[in-house]
Amino acid sequence: AQSVAQPEDQVNVAEGNPLTVKCTYSVSGNPYLFWYVQYPNRGLQFLLKYITGDNLVKGSYGFEAEFNKSQTSFHLKKPSALVSDSALYFCAVRDRENGGFKTIFGAGTRLFVKA
Amino acid sequence: DVKVTQSSRYLVKRTGEKVFLECVQDMDHENMFWYRQDPGLGLRLIYFSYDVKMKEKGDIPEGYSVSREKKERFSLILESASTNQTSMYLCASSKLALQTGELFFGEGSRLTVL
Repeated sequence: AQSVAQPEDQVNVAEGNPLTVKCTYSVSGNPYLFWYVQYPNRGLQFLLKYITGDNLVKGSYGFEAEFNKSQTSFHLKKPSALVSDSALYFCAVRDRENGGFKTIFGAGTRLFVKA
Repeated sequence: DVKVTQSSRYLVKRTGEKVFLECVQDMDHENMFWYRQDPGLGLRLIYFSYDVKMKEKGDIPEGYSVSREKKERFSLILESASTNQTSMYLCASSKLALQTGELFFGEGSRLTVL
C-alpha cells in the first residue's frame, strides 16, 4: 500500500530564512506526489505536484519541491519565508483504486514563521 | 473561478441525530471525495465516488454513508451521530481522466456532536 510520512509535526523558521518541510513516501509504481496548504479554518489549497520530468518542481507562492527517487523524498522548500506562509502543510501521493484514483495524505506539518 | 461548496461551515448536533453534509462542485468533475481531518492524523478518506450512483469505501467508512444522485453533488450522511464523529469534514473533487490532477477542496464543515 502507498503511504506518506511527514516526520515533523512542526517547523519554526525566522522570516527571510529558507524553509524546508519534509516528506517521504512509499509507492509500488510511479509516484504522483502533491503538496497542499491549509490556512486556519479553510479547506486545502493545491501548491504543486510532481508527475514526471524535472526533479525540481515550482509551484504557487514561491514554493518549490525536490523529488529524490533514491531517498523516496519530496521535500517542500522556499528560499525566503514570509510570516504569511504560516499554515498547515500536507504532502500527498496519488493511488489507483477500483477504477478511480484516491489521494493519500500525510499527517501534516505546521509551519510557524516568526517576524 | 472553480468552486467546491459545502453547505454548512459549522454544525452542532446531539448524539443519535441524523446528519447530512452536502457538497456541490461546479467543475463537471467525475471524482468526489469525503475526508475527515483530525489533529495529528491528517486527512482520512471516508468515501469516494467516481460516477453518479457509484460509491467506494475509503479507509474509515464505518458510521457513514454517502449519496451521489447527481454528478455535481456528493452527500455524506451520519445515520446516528456519535461524539467520536466530532471532526472537520472536507469535500473534494477531481477530474477522473486526469490521474495526475490535483484535488479541489471545499472550505470544510466543522461538526460537533454533543
